[in-house]
Amino acid sequence: GESVGLHLPTLSVQEGDNSIINCAYSNSASDYFIWYKQESGKGPQFIIDIRSNMDKRQGQRVTVLLNKTVKHLSLQIAATQPGDSAVYFCAETYNYGQNFVFGPGTRLSVLP
Amino acid sequence: SQTIHQWPATLVQPVGSPLSLECTVEGTSNPNLYWYRQAAGRGLQLLFYSVGIGQISSEVPQNLSASRPQDRQFILSSKKLLLSDSGFYLCAWISGSGANVLTFGAGSRLTVL
Repeated sequence: GESVGLHLPTLSVQEGDNSIINCAYSNSASDYFIWYKQESGKGPQFIIDIRSNMDKRQGQRVTVLLNKTVKHLSLQIAATQPGDSAVYFCAETYNYGQNFVFGPGTRLSVLP
Repeated sequence: SQTIHQWPATLVQPVGSPLSLECTVEGTSNPNLYWYRQAAGRGLQLLFYSVGIGQISSEVPQNLSASRPQDRQFILSSKKLLLSDSGFYLCAWISGSGANVLTFGAGSRLTVL
């Protein structure tokens, strides 16, 4: 389950705008996905999850979209706030299993 | 409610010294436990996972080892640290049955000099 990364890709958005963070997952058999938020020096925190029998799920200010055809997952954050600045990871597993594969992460920077 | 604890939070060790990072989970029984490493600016690399006491699976060959002496305790160790062992180590757990959400601890930052 290694996530091989170079320097993290960065997304910069203006405060109040909507953010879209994308993730291409690797296993077409994956059936459960999670988005995590990691602030500097802290462990990743669960944001939202989605199962493969759904293509959209909404939480508070966040929406996850799943496109199984192209193996693509996205996280949309509405009205982005300074507190949303963090690194965001997607994670996938299959057979609702318990070993996750993580994406390389995207750093979200919110500009004042 | 379930909580996960990791310690120490920060550690600076010389090359060749031993290592012991501890992780405990409260409020659940028979969890699956995981150790991940995160190098600076990078993603998460799974090192070890355990589905029960004394059961350890290693994902990456290295000079680290893991042990699970009790149901809710997971320990990451090394006999001799290398410079390349520096990183942010994260313990995580999943309930042995039911919900699949992987929950992380606060992490232990290791610097090997």
